Amino acid sequence: AQTVTQSQPEMSVQEAETVTLSCTYDTSESNYYLFWYKQPPSRQMILVIRQEAYKQQNATENRFSVNFQKAAKSFSLKISDSQLGDTAMYFCAFMRGANSKLTFGKGITLSVRP
Amino acid sequence: DGGITQSPKYLFRKEGQNVTLSCEQNLNHDAMYWYRQDPGQGLRLIYYSQIVNDFQKGDIAEGYSVSREKKESFPLTVTSAQKNPTAFYLCASSLPGQGAGAVQETQYFGPGTRLLVL
Repeated sequence: AQTVTQSQPEMSVQEAETVTLSCTYDTSESNYYLFWYKQPPSRQMILVIRQEAYKQQNATENRFSVNFQKAAKSFSLKISDSQLGDTAMYFCAFMRGANSKLTFGKGITLSVRP
Repeated sequence: DGGITQSPKYLFRKEGQNVTLSCEQNLNHDAMYWYRQDPGQGLRLIYYSQIVNDFQKGDIAEGYSVSREKKESFPLTVTSAQKNPTAFYLCASSLPGQGAGAVQETQYFGPGTRLLVL
């Protein structure tokens, strides 16, 4: 079974600064996908970024980028130029290549201070 | 606009009562999912369906039931057998890959339903 671990329950960052959220996972699969989802106070789950395990290049989406270390089974999210609207819970999630089931970590609460 | 809708936003259940949560999507996605979210926990999969008239149990299916009679709709019934139903319920949909080596698509989520027990 796959597991996803987010060991930091809470983080805080000053507006305009950079923050990195950690995620590790455990799997014996070679074909899989990794995701970061954002859940703001509205509780709507929003996709932030997606990484295919077979791609060596780290995914980026505007101010969001990942550091995917396949051998270490690590998948961290870097948020640059943090904005107040980035305040939310962030969930790391794993999807096997063989099916579309997602396994989520417990999430991290990120607060951006003005 | 294309998207996923869930209703109601809030739902109250009395002891011994079955309640049904609605999930509708107009994204033409084949696969749909139900997740439960409890405080301090990530999302846990209840049921999923990759095609009409077919569905599978997820990790915490006990006390829940689903149907998939239409591609657009995947209602979840919380039965009286579910002893701790208070939670936030999220529905998602995607275009699942078919067959070995197929690309799996991203899941997109609805706005959720908050279920409370009276």
